Amino acid sequence: DTVLTQSPALAVSPGERVTISCRASESVSTLMHWYQQKPGQQPTLLIYLASNLESGVPARFSGSGSGTDFTLTIDPVEADDTATYYCQQSWNDPWTFGGGTKLELK
Amino acid sequence: EVQLVETGGGLVRPGSSLKLSCATSGFTFSNTWMNWVRQAPGKGLEWVALIKDKYSNYEANYAESVKGRFTISRDDSKSRVYLQMNTLRDQDTATYYCTRDYGGVAYWGQGTLVTVSS
Repeated sequence: DTVLTQSPALAVSPGERVTISCRASESVSTLMHWYQQKPGQQPTLLIYLASNLESGVPARFSGSGSGTDFTLTIDPVEADDTATYYCQQSWNDPWTFGGGTKLELK
Repeated sequence: EVQLVETGGGLVRPGSSLKLSCATSGFTFSNTWMNWVRQAPGKGLEWVALIKDKYSNYEANYAESVKGRFTISRDDSKSRVYLQMNTLRDQDTATYYCTRDYGGVAYWGQGTLVTVSS
């Protein structure tokens, strides 16, 4: 299975720019997607196909990458962005998810 | 509006069975692939099972951790997907999410909690 590796946690101040990385153990082309999960809630889609913003998601969120290296950027970060962020690939079967990056605000 | 509503979770003993159901609306269920994804308390997301549509002969795939114990099924006439879970283990304790597979992208229900404990 394709392993997706994310940094476990980040702490930033409101108004700053933050990048969350996701590295795949093998190429996933651009079939990488990003989700936000707040405590007690289900994940919600932020970015699909590496760089496409889901409808209704603020333009502060953006995604980039292809192959094995991907990035989710939030600029500027707001207090409401406190959450865990997961990457997920759908290029190789089965779907796999990164371990999640917990974003905390200082 | 797309809706996915999971039901059927609860507290069960190790070795027992449970069947989860997911009611859907707001999209054409019959030509949609559906997945179950689970999340153990305080942990990350784990894909569990996929069922394809009638055009793919309802092919089902499973994670190795549940293969032979779990069965995914669907009823297109009711726009529902199910997960029959047998021989449950402590490590199956998790919130189980029904997800709509839209070109490999997941859209999630609110989840149902399954607790396996003696």
